[in-house]
Amino acid sequence: NAGVTQTPKFRILKIGQSMTLQCTQDMNHNYMYWYRQDPGMGLKLIYYSVGAGITDKGEVPNGYNVSRSTTEDFPLRLELAAPSQTSVYFCASNPGSSYEQYFGPGTRLTVT
Amino acid sequence: AQSVTQLGSHVSVSEGALVLLRCNYSSSVPPYLFWYVQYPNQGLQLLLKYTSAATLVKGINGFEAEFKKSETSFHLTKPSAHMSDAAEYFCAVSSRGGSYIPTFGRGTSLIVHP
Repeated sequence: NAGVTQTPKFRILKIGQSMTLQCTQDMNHNYMYWYRQDPGMGLKLIYYSVGAGITDKGEVPNGYNVSRSTTEDFPLRLELAAPSQTSVYFCASNPGSSYEQYFGPGTRLTVT
Repeated sequence: AQSVTQLGSHVSVSEGALVLLRCNYSSSVPPYLFWYVQYPNQGLQLLLKYTSAATLVKGINGFEAEFKKSETSFHLTKPSAHMSDAAEYFCAVSSRGGSYIPTFGRGTSLIVHP
C-alpha cells in the first residue's frame, strides 16, 4: 500500500491565483481530513469527510473548498490565494474503526 | 469538548539523557490518546496510542507513555535519547464514541545535543 499520497510537494503561487492540492489514499478509509500546519501552532483542521459525497467544515475553512466524489480522493481547492494561506498542508485518513490517523507527506505552499 | 496542552514548545536534552515530553488533556468522555512524531520535511506518524487497555503504553523507537487519569496527563518518555530522536512531537486526544476528529497539541520540538 502506498498509504496517503499528496501532490505537489512544493508550490509557489501568486496572490489571487488558484490551485488544487491532491490527496489520495489506497486503504479504503472512510474518513479523510485536510490540515494546515503553521510554526508553533500545531495542526488546524480545514475540512473533513466521513465518506464519498459528504464533507464538512473544520476549524479554519475560509478560503478553501473540498469535494469527495470517490472514497480514494479528497482534493483541496484554493480559489483566490492569499499570503495568509502560506503553510504546510497535510492530508490524513482514518478507517473509522480506530481513532488513529494516517498522514500524507505534506504540500508546502508559499503565496507571494 | 476536548483539548490538549503540551508544556514546552522546545525541549533540549543531551544524547543518552532521559526524554520527558509533557501532555495534559481535557475530555468530557473517556479519551483515546496519541503521540505522533514528525521528522523534518515529513508527515506525522503514529508513535503510540492509549485505547483503555494498559495505562503504560509502549511505542516505537523505545518511547513509552503513561495514562494518568487523576492527573489528566499522558507524558511521553524515553530512557536514553538518541540523535535520531530529534523531531517534532504532537500529543492528540479523541473522545471515545465521538466523531473521529482529534484535537492536536501545538507540538514540542525535541533537540538532542551530542
